[in-house]
Amino acid sequence: AQSVAQPEDQVNVAEGNPLTVKCTYSVSGNPYLFWYVQYPNRGLQFLLKYITGDNLVKGSYGFEAEFNKSQTSFHLKKPSALVSDSALYFCAVRDPSRAGANNLFFGTGTRLTVIP
Amino acid sequence: EAGVVQSPRYKIIEKKQPVAFWCNPISGHNTLYWYRQNLGQGPELLIRYENEEAVDDSQLPKDRFSAERLKGVDSTLKIQPAELGDSAVYLCASSPPVLNTGELFFGEGSRLTVL
Repeated sequence: AQSVAQPEDQVNVAEGNPLTVKCTYSVSGNPYLFWYVQYPNRGLQFLLKYITGDNLVKGSYGFEAEFNKSQTSFHLKKPSALVSDSALYFCAVRDPSRAGANNLFFGTGTRLTVIP
Repeated sequence: EAGVVQSPRYKIIEKKQPVAFWCNPISGHNTLYWYRQNLGQGPELLIRYENEEAVDDSQLPKDRFSAERLKGVDSTLKIQPAELGDSAVYLCASSPPVLNTGELFFGEGSRLTVL
């Protein structure tokens, strides 16, 4: 079975500082990993994904994430946080061994607050 | 391009009443998903359609929940009768047939409050 863990319910960071939102995963085989963002009263929006290739993937709004197989982690990062980055962030995993199944399993989310 | 459209955005009902949610996916997206998001939790898959066929409904509580996607386009999720524990946001998502790499496009959700 696949799962993801987001150990921090809340992350606070000052505007202009780097931010990191943590995610660890558990899946058999090589995972497909995703980050989604949810703004208040809005649906989830795709940020970035790791399928294969470079361990550092870049996504929307200046976000990037680093895949670390040995640590089974996929932390979301941004060099300089903006107040507008304040939102709920979800890590998700898909088990590619389940052929044809595009089902994503989401973590519980981390609320990011960027302080002006 | 229009995104995934859901209605209603908000619904308040008393327990034991029925409720239905509607979703219109992005044009050309053959895969449609219904997720439930409880407060403070991540979305959990209820059902996945490939065109009009429900290919994964293992997490759908079939005693009270039903869904349909008759023509392989829009879909309806129904709860009858609703219970207090059904209060949640019901998210619809769709994805295109190509690549199958897992990027889903979500609607804004339907927030259900059961009193």
